[in-house]
Amino acid sequence: QTVVTQEPSLTVSPGGTVTLTCASSTGAVTSDYYPNWFQQKPGQAPRALIYSTSNKYSWTPARFSGSLLGGKAALTLSGVQPEDEAEYYCLLYYGGAQLVFGGGTKLTVL
Amino acid sequence: QVQLVESGGGVVQPGGSLRLSCAASGFTFSAYGIHWVRQAPGKGLEWVAFIRYDGNNKYYADSVKGRFTISRDNSKNTLYLQMNSLRAEDTAVYYCAKERARSSWFDFDYWGQGALVTVSS
Repeated sequence: QTVVTQEPSLTVSPGGTVTLTCASSTGAVTSDYYPNWFQQKPGQAPRALIYSTSNKYSWTPARFSGSLLGGKAALTLSGVQPEDEAEYYCLLYYGGAQLVFGGGTKLTVL
Repeated sequence: QVQLVESGGGVVQPGGSLRLSCAASGFTFSAYGIHWVRQAPGKGLEWVAFIRYDGNNKYYADSVKGRFTISRDNSKNTLYLQMNSLRAEDTAVYYCAKERARSSWFDFDYWGQGALVTVSS
């Protein structure tokens, strides 16, 4: 069974920078996994932030960026704002009909 | 603006059936594939199923294969999820989510607000 692993929780100070990662049990994550990143706040639906590794939607704040880092997909927040406190999920495509979400990272801004 | 509105959630007994709907507006529904994604209470996201824009290709997670059926009515701009043989572990909020572009069914852009399904006796 394919497992996608994220940090369970991270804490960052306002104005700081933090990187969330997304690892695959099958090996290194590449652009062929088309990593997506989503933000979810309590009681709300997920909101798309990043698609295909590093592409942003029109509504994605500039402080969010996606990349590949050390064999993982990564989401970096630069100049963190209090409203960035949320759960973040990555999604990887394994070909065929398999899509797997990571377990989520709870980001605390403190 | 793009809107996806789920309905049909509720409480059902184990072994029972339920059909969810997802009404779409603000885009050309017949041009895009749509996903179902679920989230058990206090848990993470789980991809459930996908249907191509024309309904000709359907994909399912192993956990629901053979029990759930995804379908769509492009004349009504509506997506469906027929759920049979429901189990306690199917209890979750079910979201519909639109594919970003026809060539990239693995990218999700817009999501609905979700419908809660509770399987309990």
